[in-house]
Amino acid sequence: GAVVSQHPSWVICKSGTSVKIECRSLDFQATTMFWYRQFPKQSLMLMATSNEGSKATYEQGVEKDKFLINHASLTLSTLTVTSAHPEDSSFYICSASGQRTGRTEAFFGQGTRLTVV
Amino acid sequence: GENVEQHPSTLSVQEGDSAVIKCTYSDSASNYFPWYKQELGKRPQLIIDIRSNVGEKKDQRIAVTLNKTAKHFSLHITETQPEDSAVYFCAASVIGGGYQKVTFGIGTKLQVIP
Repeated sequence: GAVVSQHPSWVICKSGTSVKIECRSLDFQATTMFWYRQFPKQSLMLMATSNEGSKATYEQGVEKDKFLINHASLTLSTLTVTSAHPEDSSFYICSASGQRTGRTEAFFGQGTRLTVV
Repeated sequence: GENVEQHPSTLSVQEGDSAVIKCTYSDSASNYFPWYKQELGKRPQLIIDIRSNVGEKKDQRIAVTLNKTAKHFSLHITETQPEDSAVYFCAASVIGGGYQKVTFGIGTKLQVIP
């Protein structure tokens, strides 16, 4: 399968600081990237959808000013958690989608475990 | 938007037995149904998928069936092994416009007892 690299895989930050998570598609052009959040023992909840070069579309209930998404190129999207608080602690996963081998598929990054203390 | 319901939420089976996980979806426009396996702390991995023009697909010990009329699809794992223990997610998606937005079910925690 395609390679989607997410970095960092694990981060601890102090309350009030901001954290940036990167999602890169290494071997294909990702026209669209998705950001998910997963609480322990729960499913993946879509936060937002971003298309290269345009503003992200946020799901209902997700604060766009808190979760800043930038998709500046066909291989990189970033999620910045601003002024993080303990309730933002979670597992964040990106997914990249684009034409590859003639088929449109979505591939996941390895996830980022964020702990806010 | 799409809504995917999945059950059961937990499933325990004896090694060698079969496991079945069922899902329903709401959006008749959905045309692609992937199944993911997620081990603790790791990314979801695609294990099998089915498109709406196919009723059944099999890959070794796993199979997926789709009933478009009823908007049901199911995952079948035969001859289960301890390494099959994980959380399984069904999903529904519309392929088109060059991207794939995936809506997930709540997940099923499968435990295979040796």
